[in-house]
Amino acid sequence: GQQLNQSPQSMFIQEGEDVSMNCTSSSIFNTWLWYKQDPGEGPVLLIALYKAGELTSNGRLTAQFGITRKDSFLNISASIPSDVGIYFCAGRGIQGAQKLVFGQGTRLTINP
Amino acid sequence: SQTIHQWPATLVQPVGSPLSLECTVEGTSNPNLYWYRQAAGRGLQLLFYSVGIGQISSEVPQNLSASRPQDRQFILSSKKLLLSDSGFYLCAWSAGRSEYFGPGTRLTVL
Repeated sequence: GQQLNQSPQSMFIQEGEDVSMNCTSSSIFNTWLWYKQDPGEGPVLLIALYKAGELTSNGRLTAQFGITRKDSFLNISASIPSDVGIYFCAGRGIQGAQKLVFGQGTRLTINP
Repeated sequence: SQTIHQWPATLVQPVGSPLSLECTVEGTSNPNLYWYRQAAGRGLQLLFYSVGIGQISSEVPQNLSASRPQDRQFILSSKKLLLSDSGFYLCAWSAGRSEYFGPGTRLTVL
């Protein structure tokens, strides 16, 4: 079945640093989604990407849909303490389009 | 705007007891609905999804079941809970290519 590799699994950074994480797929996706999950809460959709090459920003967050349709990255600029959490990528393939495939998450920890 | 509700927020149940978790969506019609389970510190595992009333697809064979009695209502059930059923249960909806999650139910089976 389809799998997503998300890296890194965890990051420890200083406040103010930029962050970059990415996901790669073994198959082509037509949608990439990026979520943030705080402890004890449901994931919140940050950015949705629907077209290869698309670059979308949401405040300090920027995400891109890879041109090969098999990868995506999320960047966070000038990190702040509230950025702490787990970030998940998710993709929707052509086959099995009703279902999302999720990465295993990137846990972001910020030292003030 | 669309809203998704889940209840209860937390639940502690003994092994062998029944389970019923409910999810409702407001502000949209004929959404796709999903149940996920998340173990502590882990990723999301899709359990069931539904594309319409009475239509349920199961992803993982187990002692859980799902039902969709109304367009915007999705129920997760079990007749007899196992210890391994403990986890964080998330309901989600989609009406296009994006998917939106509810606040989750923390289930502890003792």
